[in-house]
Parts: sequence; C-alpha cells; structure tokens
Amino acid sequence: DTAVSQTPKYLVTQMGNDKSIKCEQNLGHDTMYWYKQDSKKFLKIMFSYNNKELIINETVPNRFSPKSPDKAHLNLHINSLELGDSAVYFCASSQDPRTGILKQFFGPGTRLTVL
Amino acid sequence: AQTVTQSQPEMSVQEAETVTLSCTYDTSESDYYLFWYKQPPSRQMILVIRQEAYKQQNATENRFSVNFQKAAKSFSLKISDSQLGDAAMYFCAYRRVRAGGTSYGKLTFGQGTILTVHP
Repeated sequence: DTAVSQTPKYLVTQMGNDKSIKCEQNLGHDTMYWYKQDSKKFLKIMFSYNNKELIINETVPNRFSPKSPDKAHLNLHINSLELGDSAVYFCASSQDPRTGILKQFFGPGTRLTVL
Repeated sequence: AQTVTQSQPEMSVQEAETVTLSCTYDTSESDYYLFWYKQPPSRQMILVIRQEAYKQQNATENRFSVNFQKAAKSFSLKISDSQLGDAAMYFCAYRRVRAGGTSYGKLTFGQGTILTVHP
C-alpha cells in the first residue's frame, strides 16, 4: 500500500496555464508538506499544513496555493505557470512534529515541466 | 536561520569499500534533529538514518553510521561494505526540535552528494 501518493507523476504544460498536483496520505498523519526540488536538485520546503491549517508558507509566490480539504489530502494549485516553476514537487507527511523526531514520509514526486 | 552544507558534490567508492559523506550545519539552537536521506534515480526520498542532537551516541543502522560532532556542527555519514544499490544522491537535513511557528516540522536540506558505486 502506498503511504504517500501524488498525482500526476509527470506534468508537461504551457506557460500561463493553471495546474494542480494532488497528494494523499493513508498514514493517519496530522501534518503534510510540499517541497520543491529544482534543476540543481536543491530541496526546499514550500508549505506545511497541520490538521488542515496552514503553518508554514516559505516565501512562495502567491501563484502557488495549497488546499487541504481534509487532513489526509494536501493539493497544490499553481496559477499562471512560469518556466521557473519547472521542478520536481514532493509531498510529505508526518505525525505532529511537536511530539518528537518523527519521520517524514515522502511521496514519489511530480516532475513538472513548463514549456 | 539554519543552513546545511554538503561540500562534496560527488563521491565514488568501490563495491565493498567504505565511504564517508560530509555534512556541516549552522544553527544557534542547542537541540535539533539531523537526518540523512537517500534519493535513488527513482527520485523517491528514503530516510537512511537520524540523530537527536542531545544524544552523544552516534546513530547506526546496519551498514550506515554517522559521526556526529556537535561542537564542530558536523554530521558525516559512513557507508560500510558499499553495494551497487547504495548509488544515489544523499541529502543531509536539519530540523529544529521546537516545532513552533515558521519552523513547524520543516526540514532544511543540504545541496546533496551524488554517490557512485563502482563494481
């Protein structure tokens, strides 16, 4: 059973389009995250949600809007896509980080290519 | 702000040999967590090993062990008896213990080290 799943795994789109990436976890975790891995493989957090509430917004352009319909899902919507948005986006989840060194489980990643 | 630095963009090792990947970090916190993640070509992020800063004993997971030097802010990963399946990109990561405010569970990653294993 997949713990953290993302759809789609690959996304190719034109500049200016709006797209969404979906993430679901079946681990019963309270906290979910979005990370971006750029072309140089640098990984950086974008957002963190705990129990559907936004906790971290790491100076991400407001074209990126996360949405958490319930604590098992954290979707990422991107408006007006730009070339620089091309990257691999990882979803992750963990139990509430206030309770300890808990492991973050990562999804398989979504490779977004903006043409 | 915390930063994590991996100064070795690439490393290589012969199968069955031992290799050490370096990581240094900068923080003003006294308590934190450190991690090594592996990212094979499949791009899946896999947790290799983790260390709590308050523990003096170095963490070990089978062939993987760390050398945690808190005063030097150094956290290196040693892979013993290297296997072809160890070939991947390795990321060192830091997390504050106090998961409040804008650091809530946030992992700060280094730039990564590509490890090649030669048969």
